[in-house]
Amino acid sequence: DTEVTQTPKHLVMGMTNKKSLKCEQHMGHRAMYWYKQKAKKPPELMFVYSYEKLSINESVPSRFSPECPNSSLLNLHLHALQPEDSALYLCASSQDSAGEDQETQYFGPGTRLLVL
Amino acid sequence: AQTVTQSQPEMSVQEAETVTLSCTYDTSESDYYLFWYKQPPSRQMILVIRQEAYKQQNATENRFSVNFQKAAKSFSLKISDSQLGDAAMYFCAYRSAYGGSQGNLIFGKGTKLSVKP
Repeated sequence: DTEVTQTPKHLVMGMTNKKSLKCEQHMGHRAMYWYKQKAKKPPELMFVYSYEKLSINESVPSRFSPECPNSSLLNLHLHALQPEDSALYLCASSQDSAGEDQETQYFGPGTRLLVL
Repeated sequence: AQTVTQSQPEMSVQEAETVTLSCTYDTSESDYYLFWYKQPPSRQMILVIRQEAYKQQNATENRFSVNFQKAAKSFSLKISDSQLGDAAMYFCAYRSAYGGSQGNLIFGKGTKLSVKP
């Protein structure tokens, strides 16, 4: 099973709202990722969690706040977003430990975010 | 820094025929992984095929196969017996075999594949 789930599928929010995106995997993967993808562009890496610790923050504005409550869950808290933050937000996970296929990232279906 | 180039923004193929998508990359590393991901209009990124750089044998997955030329830094994807469901954006991606930020995926700009009935 290589399933990564994301909720919600769609989200519309105003610039003063606070919302959260959720990502979950039950594959025992130890690395989890948040990507932002604009239309007709490749995904852009935002954050990487490795063994539940934030290992990479690609200079993302503070209005995006990641959280990893446990090894299966990854949240992205949103606050005071701008219209240009409207995009598809993808979550991914990878095994990142010894073994076959440790480096392959498996993606969730994404959350389509619209900021008004 | 590593880069991935997909020189074909759009491609078209007739149903049941074969199409090849091109990908080249630049790296000074000797150990790495290469991937092809498919992203249909539903927008979910789906792994199509992966290749370890240390393996000379080209990876295959059913109708999908790659032509991996390490010296030329080329990693093309061949889709045989194309089906309507193959229509999607295809991304080529590189990942270093080393950990930390070096291990993150580097994507090409993508190739949009259309399949004609």
